[in-house]
Amino acid sequence: KQEVTQIPAALSVPEGENLVLNCSFTDSAIYNLQWFRQDPGKGLTSLLLIQSSQREQTSGRLNASLDKSSGRSTLYIAASQPGDSATYLCAVKDFNKFYFGSGTKLNVKP
Amino acid sequence: DAGITQSPRHKVTETGTPVTLRCHQTENHRYMYWYRQDPGHGLRLIHYSYGVKDTDKGEVSDGYSVSRSKTEDFLLTLESATSSQTSVYFCAISPRTGEDTEAFFGQGTRLTVV
Repeated sequence: KQEVTQIPAALSVPEGENLVLNCSFTDSAIYNLQWFRQDPGKGLTSLLLIQSSQREQTSGRLNASLDKSSGRSTLYIAASQPGDSATYLCAVKDFNKFYFGSGTKLNVKP
Repeated sequence: DAGITQSPRHKVTETGTPVTLRCHQTENHRYMYWYRQDPGHGLRLIHYSYGVKDTDKGEVSDGYSVSRSKTEDFLLTLESATSSQTSVYFCAISPRTGEDTEAFFGQGTRLTVV
């Protein structure tokens, strides 16, 4: 059974700092990995999708990497802003199901 | 945004009553999913569907049933609601299998069982 872990569970940083969120998974036989953002009381918004054959994806200030062999992914956020405050979740996909970590709650202080 | 509508958005119900949550999509995606989100547990899969009348269990399926009679609708039923089923329920859709396909989520239904 796939287990997905996200560390840290919570993170507080001052505005402007670069930061890294971590995601690890136990079964390397994945189809892809997706990073989501969730604001309080809201649904999940997809940020980045990394296919199993890819090593990284970039979107604006976000960069996500994937190392399947070690079962790890990182989400790098450059020059953080208060608007980045949210919970960030990673999900791995096997053939037809998605498995989620518990998320990292990020607070960016002005 | 993907065309996914969950209804109702909020519901309070009493223990022992049946409850049905609806997910409606306008994307004609093959796969539909029901997840529940609880503090400290992330999102856990309840049931999913891979086509009309084709469904399968997820990791927390006890106490829940589903039905999909049309491509666009996926219903989640709690036959006899319990307090442990108080949660936020999310519907997700995905077009197909394959490494290039992602999940798209609805806005969630907050269910409280009293």
